[in-house]
This record gives sequence, C-alpha cells and structure tokens, in this order.
Amino acid sequence: DVKVTQSSRYLVKRTGEKVFLECVQDMDHENMFWYRQDPGLGLRLIYFSYDVKMKEKGDIPEGYSVSREKKERFSLILESASTNQTSMYLCASSLSDRAWYIQYFGAGTRLSVL
Amino acid sequence: AQTVTQSQPEMSVQEAETVTLSCTYDTSENNYYLFWYKQPPSRQMILVIRQEAYKQQNATENRFSVNFQKAAKSFSLKISDSQLGDTAMYFCAFGTGANSKLTFGKGITLSVRP
Repeated sequence: DVKVTQSSRYLVKRTGEKVFLECVQDMDHENMFWYRQDPGLGLRLIYFSYDVKMKEKGDIPEGYSVSREKKERFSLILESASTNQTSMYLCASSLSDRAWYIQYFGAGTRLSVL
Repeated sequence: AQTVTQSQPEMSVQEAETVTLSCTYDTSENNYYLFWYKQPPSRQMILVIRQEAYKQQNATENRFSVNFQKAAKSFSLKISDSQLGDTAMYFCAFGTGANSKLTFGKGITLSVRP
C-alpha cells in the first residue's frame, strides 16, 4: 500500500514564525502535491513537484514556498506565518503515469496560526 | 481552465438507502479522467472510484457506481445500501493535461443516519 506521511497532525504557531510542513511518501512516486483545504472552498493546489528540485506553482502559491531535495520528501514552507494561513494542509503523491492521475493523500496537518 | 462544481454542500440518507451525489464539470478537453474521493471525519482522503472519459461504460466498485454523461459534463456518484461508514466528505475531481494535477470540487458532506 502507498503510504504518505505528514509529520504533524496538529500544529500551533505564532504570527511571523517560519513554519515547515513535511511530507514523505514511500512508493517512489515522481509527483507530489500540497493542497490547502478550507470549509466551503474544497481543495486548492498550492504547489506541486514532478521531480526532485522541480516545482510549479499551483492556484494559491502566495505566502508559501516548497522544497524537494529528495524524491520521497516534499516540504511546504510558510516564510512568515499569518493568521489567514490557518487551515488544513494535505500532501499527496502520484506516479508520473498520467493515464490514471490517482493521487494518494496523507492524513493532513491542521495548522493554527495565532 | 477546468472547473468542477458540486452544488450540494450537504446531504443526508437513511442507512441501507441509496443516495446520489452530483458533480458537473467544464472543460474543452476530450481526453480526461474523473474521480470521486472520500474523506471520512478526521481520516485521510481515499479514492472511491474513477472514470476515463473515453470509456462509455460507467465505472462500478461494489456499492459505488457513477453515472457519467459526457455530453452533459455530468459525473454523479451513486451509493447503494448506504452504511454508517459512508459518512464522509466526498470530493469530485477532474484530471487532464501533461501532468497529473487534479481539479477538485468544493465537496459534499454526506451523513448516513442509523
């Protein structure tokens, strides 16, 4: 079974802090994704990566950056956390075989910025 | 750009009954893939069912089936013999293009009543 692990289920940070959300997958997937989930807004793509050191902006990249130094790990960075970044963050991964587009998700990190 | 619309924010169904969740999408692409994902309360998102647009036959997975109407750009999910474990948020998603990015709808919260 594919396993996507997010390092924290719950995180509380203060405004202005630099925040790292970590995601690791164990299935040698090429693609990895970071989403933000908010009530009434569904899942919105922040960034995705299709290879090591490669990244592309999603729909809402402002205030975020990402890092992918190793194939299995994809980090989301909030350079200076703000209260409007309080949300649920979901990581996902998929194979590069575009025939199926199946994404496998982590359990999510609920981030509160105070 | 593709859009996915789930117009019903919430639905409720009695255990053992059948329920249909609606989804419409908009695209100019001819080849694409459609998915329903399930997110149980406080648990990670999992794939329920998938449909390839070039296949006319509707996908079925045990109690879950879809009604795919390509001309109408409609992709509804039917859950038969609803169970308490079906209580979850359900997301409709669309994928196409050169990478495996998905566009998600806003989701629908389904409650199964005992």
